[in-house]
Amino acid sequence: SQTIHQWPATLVQPVGSPLSLECTVEGTSNPNLYWYRQAAGRGLQLLFYSVGIGQISSEVPQNLSASRPQDRQFILSSKKLLLSDSGFYLCAWSVGTSTRRGTQYFGPGTRLLVL
Amino acid sequence: GQQLNQSPQSMFIQEGEDVSMNCTSSSIFNTWLWYKQDPGEGPVLLIALYKAGELTSNGRLTAQFGITRKDSFLNISASIPSDVGIYFCAGQTGNQFYFGTGTSLTVIP
Repeated sequence: SQTIHQWPATLVQPVGSPLSLECTVEGTSNPNLYWYRQAAGRGLQLLFYSVGIGQISSEVPQNLSASRPQDRQFILSSKKLLLSDSGFYLCAWSVGTSTRRGTQYFGPGTRLLVL
Repeated sequence: GQQLNQSPQSMFIQEGEDVSMNCTSSSIFNTWLWYKQDPGEGPVLLIALYKAGELTSNGRLTAQFGITRKDSFLNISASIPSDVGIYFCAGQTGNQFYFGTGTSLTVIP
């Protein structure tokens, strides 16, 4: 069965520090991978998605970046965090979008607090 | 990005009551999905719908893919305290998934 991992679970970082959040998927190959941010009050904002190694689509221009160095690994980074980067970061993977039976599964999330 | 219209925004119900929530969109989707999110955790997939008109059940949950492919509803029968949480709808087209703003459900014992 497929599982998705995110770490760390919680992170407190000072403004201006770098960021690296990691997401890995097990039990599937060539998944689409996604990074979302969820601010307080629920809405899910798509940040990046990737359909393959080295392929990244950015949805929101900001000081974050994403990379996919391996098939089942997705990394969210920043060189200098802002206060507004605080939030709940969710990684997700999907299957079946090419067959019009797309289904998406989420990781447990990383709570980021920038002080 | 596109956002789906999800209603109601919040619900307060007595334990044992039935619940109904729905999502509408101006766009057609290939797939409709329903998730439940508990505080501090990632959303968990409850039901996936792949065909217009499809009605699918998962225990006390029932969801339908609207015939126009622009809407979906989720019903929960005989609610229990552990149903508390935020419920999200999502529509899929191509590689992207679009989410509703969520329905916060509170169940009063």
